[in-house]
Amino acid sequence: RKEVEQDPGPFNVPEGATVAFNCTYSNSASQSFFWYRQDCRKEPKLLMSVYSSGNEDGRFTAQLNRASQYISLLIRDSKLSDSATYLCVVNIPGTASKLTFGTGTRLQVTL
Amino acid sequence: DGGITQSPKYLFRKEGQNVTLSCEQNLNHDAMYWYRQDPGQGLRLIYYSQIVNDFQKGDIAEGYSVSREKKESFPLTVTSAQKNPTAFYLCASSPQPHRIVISNYGYTFGSGTRLTVV
Repeated sequence: RKEVEQDPGPFNVPEGATVAFNCTYSNSASQSFFWYRQDCRKEPKLLMSVYSSGNEDGRFTAQLNRASQYISLLIRDSKLSDSATYLCVVNIPGTASKLTFGTGTRLQVTL
Repeated sequence: DGGITQSPKYLFRKEGQNVTLSCEQNLNHDAMYWYRQDPGQGLRLIYYSQIVNDFQKGDIAEGYSVSREKKESFPLTVTSAQKNPTAFYLCASSPQPHRIVISNYGYTFGSGTRLTVV
């Protein structure tokens, strides 16, 4: 089983729609979770951290479900500028805890 | 402004050549990382360093080498032993030495180097 798994998409949604992505992780001891955004041919940029109680940043809401080992990202009122690949990122605990990146879910918002 | 700088943005390598990719950060971060990304694929960890003069192999270290002589700098050499070096290379840094949970800070990435074998 992969350490971090995401549906690659693409998700094609009209402007103004609400879209949700899920991501599952395999290590139950993971404690840090993030969503990154990556535009085509650019570097990943931190979108938001994911906290245990869930958190919101404008149109974006992130949730963590430890029991089922998944995190989610909800985007409300999608904009054309939201078109990108969204990477789920999880820390893999150990003596040298590192972040592991999912392969990403591609979102295309259309007129 | 603080940040992480990679150079060059584009690099062309002939068969059998070694090339070095530069990564410099002025964020005062302890840890630095090198990732490789192939088209349509996720990031794969090549090497990482938690502290000056120390570094560890990641998942795909074969054919690559690094050094960490200064906190600010973590250059990556792609050697002729790397059979398929064409890829997008990303350098990242973070403030936490990774023996503890990253305090929800995440990594900061440079803008990347596109390496092509010609």
